[in-house]
Amino acid sequence: DAGVIQSPRHEVTEMGQEVTLRCKPISGHNSLFWYRQTMMRGLELLIYFNNNVPIDDSGMPEDRFSAKMPNASFSTLKIQPSEPRDSAVYFCASSQQEVNEKLFFGSGTQLSVL
Amino acid sequence: QQQVKQSPQSLIVQKGGISIINCAYENTAFDYFPWYQQFPGKGPALLIAIRPDVSEKKEGRFTISFNKSAKQFSLHIMDSQPGDSATYFCAASTGPGTYKYIFGTGTRLKVLA
Repeated sequence: DAGVIQSPRHEVTEMGQEVTLRCKPISGHNSLFWYRQTMMRGLELLIYFNNNVPIDDSGMPEDRFSAKMPNASFSTLKIQPSEPRDSAVYFCASSQQEVNEKLFFGSGTQLSVL
Repeated sequence: QQQVKQSPQSLIVQKGGISIINCAYENTAFDYFPWYQQFPGKGPALLIAIRPDVSEKKEGRFTISFNKSAKQFSLHIMDSQPGDSATYFCAASTGPGTYKYIFGTGTRLKVLA
């Protein structure tokens, strides 16, 4: 298996622009997570999907952030409009929760908002 | 109460030495404690994990020591190698089927050749 695939690897955009991050989880995994990593706050859970349904979005910073999972093999995290404080590394992770708790992380998207 | 406090923030160890990273928690409902290893440009990857029914778990050069009464757990890396240089995160969750992992802030380990 190719693991969790995220795109793009790097994104540089200007304040106010829309940003869309993409994730393909590992086939057969039924849980998907979006995390944000910063030096100050470490790894923060933004949203959790189980069987394509958003279960907990309490970590989403504000209404500018939205996430979707239209099917078991694809998820997006959108920021509109983007702000410089959104600059961070965004990770997608997947797992098969009923089997074990091991999270499989993608390589992340480094987002820079100028 | 949901925090997991990790120390030190950074650590430099000579090749062959022992690296020790500590974590502490408050929530007694936590019952799954994994450690994740992250190399630059990569996502974190599960290294080793422990449940509170045992006080120690060893996998190769990596050992987790768990002290339930003190609500502390630590990662020991024996015979540290330059290839171990990475950022290490401890985490905690409330058990099977849960999704909310609380991560520590990370320890950047550098092993000198």
